[in-house]
Amino acid sequence: QSALTQPPSASGSPGQSVTISCTGTSSDVGTYNYVSWYQHHPGKAPKLLIYGVTKRPSGVPDRFSGSKSGNTASLTVSGLQAEDEADYYCSAYAGANNPYVFGTGTKVTVL
Amino acid sequence: EVQLVQSGAEVRKPGESLKISCKVSGYSFTTYWIAWVRQMPGKGLEWMAIINPGDSDTTYSPSFQGQVTISADKSINTAYLQWSSLKASDTAMYYCARRGGTSHNDYWGQGTLVTVSS
Repeated sequence: QSALTQPPSASGSPGQSVTISCTGTSSDVGTYNYVSWYQHHPGKAPKLLIYGVTKRPSGVPDRFSGSKSGNTASLTVSGLQAEDEADYYCSAYAGANNPYVFGTGTKVTVL
Repeated sequence: EVQLVQSGAEVRKPGESLKISCKVSGYSFTTYWIAWVRQMPGKGLEWMAIINPGDSDTTYSPSFQGQVTISADKSINTAYLQWSSLKASDTAMYYCARRGGTSHNDYWGQGTLVTVSS
């Protein structure tokens, strides 16, 4: 199972929006509505931002939103803040024997 | 408060064995699967394996099958990841995480850095 494809980097100025894509296949992203997104600041534990394509855990600001179309999922960060500078990973379900396929990761820079 | 607390950083030589731990608190250990995730230096996240602490049912990523062993001791709410013979390529940060749903991890440990060097 190959990793999901994300752009290596994305950037935006404070207050702007940035959208990160996550491209999989009809065996994972395209079939199941089980796409999640994580924010990872180096040296810290990853943090769940989005699960089930669009759901936000309690405590995650609504500036973070998820969507999906076909084999591609997306994470949008609106109203960029300095603390949003981090690595972002998507993950998708690909069946009981392959419950996680992670994306390649995207480094978001706040200019 | 849900917490997953991992054991400290380890330095080992190639060929040595190692077992790292992940102690959970704040919820019923046997209710949620535990996942192990690797991050090699400068690289992304990779799923390694998951375990159901209730019955020790496990699923391994094909990439890690036979390379590592995961286990759980429900008497002390602790999950383990172990190697019988480490390689230099096992140098990485290893995270445990609670599998909160079908495909997402809602709580993560702080990570255990494993360095394998002669």
